[in-house]
Amino acid sequence: DSGVTQTPKHLITATGQRVTLRCSPRSGDLSVYWYQQSLDQGLQFLIQYYNGEERAKGNILERFSAQQFPDLHSELNLSSLELGDSALYFCASSIRGGEGTDTQYFGPGTRLTVL
Amino acid sequence: QQQVKQSPQSLIVQKGGISIINCAYENTAFDYFPWYQQFPGKGPALLIAIRPDVSEKKEGRFTISFNKSAKQFSLHIMDSQPGDSATYFCAAALYGQNFVFGPGTRLSVLP
Repeated sequence: DSGVTQTPKHLITATGQRVTLRCSPRSGDLSVYWYQQSLDQGLQFLIQYYNGEERAKGNILERFSAQQFPDLHSELNLSSLELGDSALYFCASSIRGGEGTDTQYFGPGTRLTVL
Repeated sequence: QQQVKQSPQSLIVQKGGISIINCAYENTAFDYFPWYQQFPGKGPALLIAIRPDVSEKKEGRFTISFNKSAKQFSLHIMDSQPGDSATYFCAAALYGQNFVFGPGTRLSVLP
């Protein structure tokens, strides 16, 4: 158990809908990262937050957005969902987020299915 | 320059054999190279990591070999066990930047 929690575990929705994925980092970690993993694909970095502020952006679509709250949990919002958005979404956390290369600890993921 | 290449895509090894997965990078500024293990339906878990100031790191049956001049690093799993069957990802990170992951290698260890 990495100490990173994600909810829900599974999510099934329809095209055009909006969903919110939630992540709680390990105790003491200030950085949260979001990744997308499609079927048989590697891990695609989406976005990073550090202590409530956006730190880095990767291949995140404009239909997707995220935020990190004062208690350090993070939410990834996916809107106008398309079939191609079906994937595993992972959250990871690390202690820092810019001052060095920290180990990232991954949560169990949320499996999103768009029908 | 940010890409990390990984091979093979899939690997089948007999129990007790040695599994070898290779990764290559282009950006010489990368300074941290972790390997992650992922079981089906689970999140990736850190297996072992190395920094470029050493050429080898060993933890139990897992060894990273690092060749700075060739810009390559590899994971060796000695005495491979069926429980090692998983997908393995290499990654590289720049100081203060985010991880770039390889595409993954699916390892199957036959009993």
